Amino acid sequence: DAKTTQPNSMESNEEEPVHLPCNHSTISGTDYIHWYRQLPSQGPEYVIHGLTSNVNNRMASLAIAEDRKSSTLILHRATLRDAAVYYCILYGGSQGNLIFGKGTKLSVKP
Amino acid sequence: NAGVTQTPKFRILKIGQSMTLQCTQDMNHNYMYWYRQDPGMGLKLIYYSVGAGITDKGEVPNGYNVSRSTTEDFPLRLELAAPSQTSVYFCASSYTRGTGGREQYFGPGTRLTVT
Repeated sequence: DAKTTQPNSMESNEEEPVHLPCNHSTISGTDYIHWYRQLPSQGPEYVIHGLTSNVNNRMASLAIAEDRKSSTLILHRATLRDAAVYYCILYGGSQGNLIFGKGTKLSVKP
Repeated sequence: NAGVTQTPKFRILKIGQSMTLQCTQDMNHNYMYWYRQDPGMGLKLIYYSVGAGITDKGEVPNGYNVSRSTTEDFPLRLELAAPSQTSVYFCASSYTRGTGGREQYFGPGTRLTVT
């Protein structure tokens, strides 16, 4: 299965942008890059996904490297509510189901 | 829409007891999933279903059974509970897996302790 590598933890200040990196050097041509987040004591929540082009939605932006071996989830203005574990997952091509790693725990300081 | 609902929220079982975790979705999704999450870890897929009457094993199916008699419901059965099954259980659903996949919608979880 194609795997992803993320930092264990990151810190941000409130109202500043946050860039969460993800490496996926073994990504296949048909793998989509999905991001989910999990707030404390809640189920995971879908954030965004993309294949090749950068993507934007109301929650975040996803920047995908030209070679697709890495991507970055961008939260434009972090709020305290964004403190969560963020999972970068490859999905839909070489594997049929979401495979969650340990993700990146984002802390947001007021 | 209530989305994905799970009951109960919490449960304590004694070793060897059995129970059923309930999951219902009201989004008319074809796909449903059961995951477990151990402390400090990511989620692991137990079973999934691509539609009523069709189920398949995930990564960690041992000790569990599932059934899918309707589109809405996907119960998870634990037979002979063991301490290793202490975990938080999440149910999820999605419209279709498809190319690239569709987002999965998760329930709030059931926290199970086996002692």
